[in-house]
Amino acid sequence: DGGITQSPKYLFRKEGQNVTLSCEQNLNHDAMYWYRQDPGQGLRLIYYSQIVNDFQKGDIAEGYSVSREKKESFPLTVTSAQKNPTAFYLCASSIEAATSFSTDTQYFGPGTRLTVL
Amino acid sequence: KQEVTQIPAALSVPEGENLVLNCSFTDSAIYNLQWFRQDPGKGLTSLLLIQSSQREQTSGRLNASLDKSSGRSTLYIAASQPGDSATYLCAAPSGGYQKVTFGTGTKLQVIP
Repeated sequence: DGGITQSPKYLFRKEGQNVTLSCEQNLNHDAMYWYRQDPGQGLRLIYYSQIVNDFQKGDIAEGYSVSREKKESFPLTVTSAQKNPTAFYLCASSIEAATSFSTDTQYFGPGTRLTVL
Repeated sequence: KQEVTQIPAALSVPEGENLVLNCSFTDSAIYNLQWFRQDPGKGLTSLLLIQSSQREQTSGRLNASLDKSSGRSTLYIAASQPGDSATYLCAAPSGGYQKVTFGTGTKLQVIP
């Protein structure tokens, strides 16, 4: 089955600790995205990648880092510099990166809920 | 910068009722708009992607319309069922940026 997987489903982090959220897709999509979702707020873009070995900051990149060494993988690291990391994190992919002129449907993973202890 | 607004934030209707969810956006220079469904604690599922050249897009009991001139889109759900209970989000491309802006969603509850 084609799709996007995220792991773990739940993650707990201690203060000052870095954690990495996994995102894998087997849809052969070029573009991948990381969003953060907080109660009462829409999804906010953290980072996106249009192609392997390339990624761009989104609206709230501070305290986060990513890598795109393989087409199918786009891991997100939440660093200790992120002061309020408790949130629901969603990974998505699309055939091509969204532009103001066209948007392919984004396919979402099931999400990872991160809680800071 | 694109801003997407969805009103109401929550809606409760009896089963069988037809309903309309609203989405407004500030930057009308878009070529399409998407509607998603999100169940509690889950990811988003794409429902409809409507191109600006299409005024409407239909899938089963769902019908989405897009009016760029007024900066509005609606999602019409016919004969609502309890299984339709979820949060519905719309998303529009952010002009000049390679990304999409999401609304905060409308939480729908269909009461049996």
